[in-house]
Amino acid sequence: AQTVTQSQPEMSVQEAETVTLSCTYDTSENNYYLFWYKQPPSRQMILVIRQEAYKQQNATENRFSVNFQKAAKSFSLKISDSQLGDTAMYFCAFMTHPSGTYKYIFGTGTRLKVLA
Amino acid sequence: NAGVTQTPKFQVLKTGQSMTLQCAQDMNHEYMSWYRQDPGMGLRLIHYSVGAGITDQGEVPNGYNVSRSTTEDFPLRLLSAAPSQTSVYFCASTPTPAVEQYFGPGTRLTVT
Repeated sequence: AQTVTQSQPEMSVQEAETVTLSCTYDTSENNYYLFWYKQPPSRQMILVIRQEAYKQQNATENRFSVNFQKAAKSFSLKISDSQLGDTAMYFCAFMTHPSGTYKYIFGTGTRLKVLA
Repeated sequence: NAGVTQTPKFQVLKTGQSMTLQCAQDMNHEYMSWYRQDPGMGLRLIHYSVGAGITDQGEVPNGYNVSRSTTEDFPLRLLSAAPSQTSVYFCASTPTPAVEQYFGPGTRLTVT
């Protein structure tokens, strides 16, 4: 069975600093996708970044980048130049769809607070 | 484009009552899903659909039913509400699982 682990329940960072959120996962699948979603206090889930497992190159989206280590099954999120609007819950998620089924597993989340 | 809409936003039920949470999307997405979010547990997949007329169980399907008669709508039915079903429920849609899921605003359900 697939699992996703986020070992940091809460983190804080000073505005303009860099922070890294960790995520590890376990799977026997070879084809899968990994995502980071943000959930601000409004409760709306918003995609931050995604990574295809078959791509070695780490995904980047503006101030957000990932460190994807497939052999180690690690998928950390780096937020550069943190902004107050980055304050939110961040969820790591794993998706695979073997043989027509669909598995989407979320981690338990990391609550990030950006301090002024 | 309204995106993914969910109704109601809040609901209080008594144990044993039934109700339907509504979900609709106007993006012509084939894939739709229902999740529940409980404190400290992240989101867990309840049921999903890969197209009209096709549904399947997710991680926590017990106590819930779904149907998908149209591409747009994917209602979630609670047959006999239990306090353990107190949660925030999210509906999501996507054109393909490999890309972003678009989430609705959620329904907060309390079962007393």
